[in-house]
Amino acid sequence: RKEVEQDPGPFNVPEGATVAFNCTYSNSASQSFFWYRQDCRKEPKLLMSVYSSGNEDGRFTAQLNRASQYISLLIRDSKLSDSATYLCVAYPGGGADGLTFGKGTHLIIQP
Amino acid sequence: EAGVVQSPRYKIIEKKQPVAFWCNPISGHNTLYWYRQNLGQGPELLIRYENEEAVDDSQLPKDRFSAERLKGVDSTLKIQPAELGDSAVYLCASSPEVGYNEQFFGPGTRLTVL
Repeated sequence: RKEVEQDPGPFNVPEGATVAFNCTYSNSASQSFFWYRQDCRKEPKLLMSVYSSGNEDGRFTAQLNRASQYISLLIRDSKLSDSATYLCVAYPGGGADGLTFGKGTHLIIQP
Repeated sequence: EAGVVQSPRYKIIEKKQPVAFWCNPISGHNTLYWYRQNLGQGPELLIRYENEEAVDDSQLPKDRFSAERLKGVDSTLKIQPAELGDSAVYLCASSPEVGYNEQFFGPGTRLTVL
């Protein structure tokens, strides 16, 4: 099974700072990408989809680089409530097999 | 609208015992997923259903794990017999249709095998 790699962290970031982390994928056939957020002992919840042109949702920006096979997540003006684990997902699409989650990046926002 | 429902939320069993998990997806969602998540890891897909058909079960350890979704609605995942290494959180997720990629997760079942 193809791999999705993430830096597990933890990333310790002061409140108000900007933080960015990447996720690399090895399956060049992957078509869809997502970032999920998972709080401690909770289920993952969709944070945002990642489009080829990049997309922004408030303080969050996601980008896709197909040539280098990575996706990124940027969080601006970080809040204490942003502390969580961020999981990236690569999905072949079209009903194909191979949906793969990364191990997650642990983010801690410090006051 | 009700979310994905899973039961039980917690289960403690001794090794070699059988165990079953139940999942009821969001009403109208055709795609159902079962994942296993170990501590500090991302969810690992075990099996994906499109309606009642299992379309991706390559990661399901078929010697001891089985799953069914007989009427294309709720689903059961079974382990028989359980091993110590099966201790994990078992997550169920659903999506509205084939190719619709956002998944909605249930709260999971935390399994401890002693």
